[in-house]
Amino acid sequence: SQTIHQWPATLVQPVGSPLSLECTVEGTSNPNLYWYRQAAGRGLQLLFYSVGIGQISSEVPQNLSASRPQDRQFILSSKKLLLSDSGFYLCAWSSPGPRQYFGPGTRLTVT
Amino acid sequence: GIQVEQSPPDLILQEGANSTLRCNFSDSVNNLQWFHQNPWGQLINLFYIPSGTKQNGRLSATTVATERYSLLYISSSQTTDSGVYFCAVAISGTYKYIFGTGTRLKVLA
Repeated sequence: SQTIHQWPATLVQPVGSPLSLECTVEGTSNPNLYWYRQAAGRGLQLLFYSVGIGQISSEVPQNLSASRPQDRQFILSSKKLLLSDSGFYLCAWSSPGPRQYFGPGTRLTVT
Repeated sequence: GIQVEQSPPDLILQEGANSTLRCNFSDSVNNLQWFHQNPWGQLINLFYIPSGTKQNGRLSATTVATERYSLLYISSSQTTDSGVYFCAVAISGTYKYIFGTGTRLKVLA
């Protein structure tokens, strides 16, 4: 069966520090991968999605970037965090169809 | 872009009651999903239902794509049904989902 992992589960970082969040999927090949952000009390906003290694589409211009160095690995990064980057970051996968499955998420607080 | 509206925004039920959650969307879609986010933040995929009706235990969903809405029915609610319910839609030909603002459900014992 398929499993999706995200780490860390929680993170507190100062403004201006770098960020790296990792997401890995097991039990499937060539999945579509997604990064979402959820602000407190709100719905999810799609940040990036990827249909293959090195193929990244950005949905919202911002302080973040994404990379897919391996088939089942998706990384969310920032060179310098802003207060507005705080939120709940969720990784999701789908394969071969459109139904999406989410990881447990990372709660990021920028102080 | 597509607008996704969910109603009601908040709902409180006694255990055992039934409820209907609604999702309206502003444009034609051929991908629609319902999710449940539990109090710990985990999102569970309930249904992929671009059209028609599906049932899974006490939950069922109906999407009328031509009229641009979907309904999620919860019967005999339990305290474990508490959380936030989201619908998400994607434009035809893409997997870029737009999420609604959710319905926050609290089931009281």
